[in-house]
Formats: sequence, C-alpha cells, structure tokens
Amino acid sequence: QVQLVQSGAEVKKPGASVKVSCKASGYTLISYFMHWVRQAPGQGLEWMGIISPISGGTTYAQNFQGRVTMTRDTSTSTVYMELSSLRSEDTAVYYCARVSGDGYNDIWGQGTMVTVSS
Amino acid sequence: DIQMTQSPSALSASVGDRVTITCRASQSISNWLAWYQQKPGKAPKLLIYKASYLESGVPSRFSGSGSGTEFTLTISSLQPDDFATYYCQQYNSYGTFGQGTKVEIK
Repeated sequence: QVQLVQSGAEVKKPGASVKVSCKASGYTLISYFMHWVRQAPGQGLEWMGIISPISGGTTYAQNFQGRVTMTRDTSTSTVYMELSSLRSEDTAVYYCARVSGDGYNDIWGQGTMVTVSS
Repeated sequence: DIQMTQSPSALSASVGDRVTITCRASQSISNWLAWYQQKPGKAPKLLIYKASYLESGVPSRFSGSGSGTEFTLTISSLQPDDFATYYCQQYNSYGTFGQGTKVEIK
C-alpha cells in the first residue's frame, strides 16, 4: 500500500542540526511533490516547504529560509529534511506529506519527534 | 503569503449536533482548499479537497462548501469518533494551514 515511513525520534542540543528521512513505498517517488510540515507541542500545523523529487527543486517557507534544506535520493525513494541552528522553539513533530496532483496532502508520514534541549 | 483564519478555535458539542467550522483566506484561493482531521498523537487525515469533494472512505456526514475566500466544513450529526482537531489548508499557493478548531465533548 502507499505509505511514507519516517525516521525515528531525535534529541538534539541547541545549535545542532537534525536530518529527518521519509521513505516512500507503494508508488513512484518522482511522480509526486512532497511537503514538510511541523507541529510544535499543543500547536497547529506549520508548512515548511516543498521539494520536487524529480528535479530536486525546492521552495521554503520564509520562516525557515536559510536554516532548512530538503533533498531527495531517488535510488532509495527517500526525501530528507535538514534543519540547522536548532533552538528550543524547533521542538516539534515533523511530518512529510505527499502532494496530490491538485496540491493537497493525501498521504502523510507518521511523524518524527525532534526535541531540542540542552 | 496567503493567511488562513479558522473560527472558532474550539467548540463544545454533543453527539448528534450539527457542527460548522469556518475558514477564511486572506486572498482568493478559488476552491483550492482542503480539510483535515487530526487526533492526538496521529498524523492529519484528509477529509475534503477542492473545497467540497469528499475523500474516499470519509463518512458522508462531512461536507465542505465555499469558494474564493470563505469556506465551511460541516458535520451534519456529530459522532463520538469525530471529537478531534480540524484544520483547513489552502493549496492555491503551496500549503498554508489554518490554526485549527478543536471539537470537544459537551
């Protein structure tokens, strides 16, 4: 079945970087764009950016410009989101979400908890 | 950037009630709007896309309407499984979300 499986929880110190993976199965990765969305504890959903798996082209939300990098490895059907210069406010669950042909998110990963703490 | 504003932020309702949630866009997004349901500890689940199209497998008590800048999600008869948080998302320009509406048991 179509699914996105994300990497496990991470604990990082302030100033460090984290790289979260999202492996697609049940469909061809390059056929769909991918969003990254995060959710801080008790808060709403925040769109972080989009990657085109076929070209590697990206667009990032203004809030994350300069700190986020989205990449892909088509040989393993995996997309990655790396966030640098971590601060406590980056503590959140990070989701990858497939972008349907229209643009909405039809398939979501299970989420990856990233905790930033000294 | 397109901003999405949901109201109310929370509501209390009883099983069987009709519930309506509103979402407003800061500029016209045509009908490029989706609604999601999220339960604690789970990823969001798609309910409605293109403002009014029901995702496969979603109960028919859920419906969506609107276009341009004003949209609504309606649950015609609230069921115990529907107590959750609901988010709208515009996808006219990438994918910004509303702040969410928590539906709680009265």
